Amino acid sequence: EDQVTQSPEALRLQEGESSSLNCSYTVSGLRGLFWYRQDPGKGPEFLFTLYSAGEEKEKERLKATLTKKESFLHITAPKPEDSATYLCAVWEGGGADGLTFGKGTHLIIQP
Amino acid sequence: DAGVTQSPTHLIKTRGQHVTLRCSPISGHKSVSWYQQVLGQGPQFIFQYYEKEERGRGNFPDRFSARQFPNYSSELNVNALLLGDSALYLCASSTSTDTQYFGPGTRLTVL
Repeated sequence: EDQVTQSPEALRLQEGESSSLNCSYTVSGLRGLFWYRQDPGKGPEFLFTLYSAGEEKEKERLKATLTKKESFLHITAPKPEDSATYLCAVWEGGGADGLTFGKGTHLIIQP
Repeated sequence: DAGVTQSPTHLIKTRGQHVTLRCSPISGHKSVSWYQQVLGQGPQFIFQYYEKEERGRGNFPDRFSARQFPNYSSELNVNALLLGDSALYLCASSTSTDTQYFGPGTRLTVL
């Protein structure tokens, strides 16, 4: 059973069309939840860290929120340069200190 | 400031060979983690090192090994390469157990 599930797998939006990406997790003792952006063939680029339910963080057109079971990445008025794969990862208490990633959401913003 | 650096960028090997991948963390970071990312999947945790000690290990065979040097740089070694080892190998650095920042990765192709 996957510990981190991201949905949708792929999403195509028109420029300016706002939407949300979902990350649900089933780990116990969550120590942190991370969002990364990854462009093809490159390493993940850090976006946000969330530590506790109710926490929110914003950066430009992106806003991340966290509940006890899931996190959302809200994208407001996206631009074509926001096209990328967005990865969610959890850091579990008592684990091997590695991050557990979801499979990502492939986002395409059409002009 | 320089980010995480990895070498080489690309590598082609044949089955049964051995490979060494290298990583230099962000200045001031003492922890290095290694991940394997196959196409269409999220990164999968291999190892974490902190202050030259192995802190955690993911579910990978003993063919995979790593070490961290006094300057906090790290090597990942893979013996007896299999076709299934073809992937993007990512190195991430952090101050201790907080947000991990990724390098550009090494693309390994096993023929």
